[in-house]
Amino acid sequence: NAGVTQTPKFQVLKTGQSMTLQCAQDMNHEYMSWYRQDPGMGLRLIHYSVGAGITDQGEVPNGYNVSRSTTEDFPLRLLSAAPSQTSVYFCASSHWDIQETQYFGPGTRLLVL
Amino acid sequence: KNEVEQSPQNLTAQEGEFITINCSYSVGISALHWLQQHPGGGIVSLFMLSSGKKKHGRLIATINIQEKHSSLHITASHPRDSAVYICAVRLIQGAQKLVFGQGTRLTINP
Repeated sequence: NAGVTQTPKFQVLKTGQSMTLQCAQDMNHEYMSWYRQDPGMGLRLIHYSVGAGITDQGEVPNGYNVSRSTTEDFPLRLLSAAPSQTSVYFCASSHWDIQETQYFGPGTRLLVL
Repeated sequence: KNEVEQSPQNLTAQEGEFITINCSYSVGISALHWLQQHPGGGIVSLFMLSSGKKKHGRLIATINIQEKHSSLHITASHPRDSAVYICAVRLIQGAQKLVFGQGTRLTINP
């Protein structure tokens, strides 16, 4: 199993550009989530999904969109990048419940100029 | 005030020492996770606790639900244990969400 994969590993954007961060898992996990990690702060939840076709907002959803058309994929879209979205983004997945063991992707480092 | 507080924020110790990292939370929870973030950035799950104590190798995690406190212990610490250790909780009244502490940076010197 590849586990949780994320692409790209690193990206530089200009303010106003849009892009999609990819996340995929091959463990047939129902639960998937996106976090951002900023210096001096803990991981913060952006969006999450409890299954295909079902998504919900986390703590910091503004400026981000998600969709879950398949069990395997959970892309995160930045609609119009801002310097405040410079961060490291992690995708995670688990079997059906947040109380199950969480599996994290390797992260995407995003720099918005 | 953060709902999840970890202490200490930074900890430096010598190889072989017994390490304790603490996590306190201010609200009712249904589960608590301990995670390890390697210097390269990868995050792995160490434990999920809802009560009592769990042990895996040299790592021990305990939780006291009434006192709203959990500890992560490392016995016979080794330089490869150097990492950031993160506590995360699921709130009782919350949806499928985790709230994270800021992490404890542990450095073990040889």
